Amino acid sequence: DAGITQSPRHKVTETGTPVTLRCHQTENHRYMYWYRQDPGHGLRLIHYSYGVKDTDKGEVSDGYSVSRSKTEDFLLTLESATSSQTSVYFCAISAQINTEAFFGQGTRLTVV
Amino acid sequence: GESVGLHLPTLSVQEGDNSIINCAYSNSASDYFIWYKQESGKGPQFIIDIRSNMDKRQGQRVTVLLNKTVKHLSLQIAATQPGDSAVYFCAENERNFNKFYFGSGTKLNVKP
Repeated sequence: DAGITQSPRHKVTETGTPVTLRCHQTENHRYMYWYRQDPGHGLRLIHYSYGVKDTDKGEVSDGYSVSRSKTEDFLLTLESATSSQTSVYFCAISAQINTEAFFGQGTRLTVV
Repeated sequence: GESVGLHLPTLSVQEGDNSIINCAYSNSASDYFIWYKQESGKGPQFIIDIRSNMDKRQGQRVTVLLNKTVKHLSLQIAATQPGDSAVYFCAENERNFNKFYFGSGTKLNVKP
């Protein structure tokens, strides 16, 4: 999986609690992404990063924040988890503009 | 995982036949396109890409066609095999931003 590790792989959390998902890469790629995948919606971009401390919003960024303090790590935080954030979350990396993005194995998050 | 395939258009083909999966994209500023394959419980896997200065690109058993006039992309799989059964997504990348936006996907079911 192109040197991408997502953690945790599965998590169950309660509504209103903060949750942080981690994406770690060993490829030294510049771009990193967080997507969520839900039935009927395909993959939707939450946030992405184009360098250390450089991030931008995607299609569905409300309720999520991100941080990238090192090239290899991209963190996704749900400040106060809601049931609508129950989903499978994928991290992806890309080396440069107009090159393929490689995906991690995903994190299944359930908010109860 | 298993929920990825729900509510998706499904293409059923016989083993050995050719498959054609279609995708319409929305942004005329997109200049790079990728096809991904996703198997149950896994992250999307890169199949083939094409840049907007091309109409056709061939890989091993796969061909991607791009029609910029009508904003349409297709993936052709030759001699489809049971291992090709998966959900297929197209993704578009807006020029200069390197943000990948995904279509909703097509489920390919290969009958032995």
